[in-house]
Amino acid sequence: DTGVSQNPRHKITKRGQNVTFRCDPISEHNRLYWYRQTLGQGPEFLTYFQNEAQLEKSRLLSDRFSAERPKGSFSTLEIQRTEQGDSAMYLCASRRKGQGSYEQYFGPGTRLTVT
Amino acid sequence: AQSVTQLGSHVSVSEGALVLLRCNYSSSVPPYLFWYVQYPNQGLQLLLKYTSAATLVKGINGFEAEFKKSETSFHLTKPSAHMSDAAEYFCAVIMNSGYSTLTFGKGTMLLVSP
Repeated sequence: DTGVSQNPRHKITKRGQNVTFRCDPISEHNRLYWYRQTLGQGPEFLTYFQNEAQLEKSRLLSDRFSAERPKGSFSTLEIQRTEQGDSAMYLCASRRKGQGSYEQYFGPGTRLTVT
Repeated sequence: AQSVTQLGSHVSVSEGALVLLRCNYSSSVPPYLFWYVQYPNQGLQLLLKYTSAATLVKGINGFEAEFKKSETSFHLTKPSAHMSDAAEYFCAVIMNSGYSTLTFGKGTMLLVSP
């Protein structure tokens, strides 16, 4: 496994700007998750993809957030009109298909700072 | 509903001492449970998992955890701490159905002194 990769690793943006993050999962994993982690907290679930279908979204995912996984491989998470409260680490995780495979493998995260 | 409680936001031990990090869960169905470790500015690395097989689970780096249904606990232990164990540790739970999204505790920072 080459591991889950995320780009960029760090992003500083001004309030009101749009940002987009990318996640490349482990190649044979068809399931992909996005989480958000704020300082001093555990990660919180944002959204889930199985192949290209977005099957679950958290109430944390406001209408300023959108995620895609167009070909069932990499995924993007876009935040429009960023707010200071969006400052967090955004983590991507992938999981292989099949019953009994519950482990999620995490990428290094993208740290977003909104000034 | 499900939640995870990690008792103690910080735990300090001396090198060579026993490590005990506590995790309690609440779940209406038998859970799957995980421990992850996070080093500064990095993602999460899976330490070990409980998926309804053996109740004593061994993981990487000498860590192990025991699932106790009667106590709704899944505490993480290591007999002898090493300096390299200093990191933040997260307990997480998923339901035994659905899309298997993880619900995490708030984490425990392990500090190891020489």
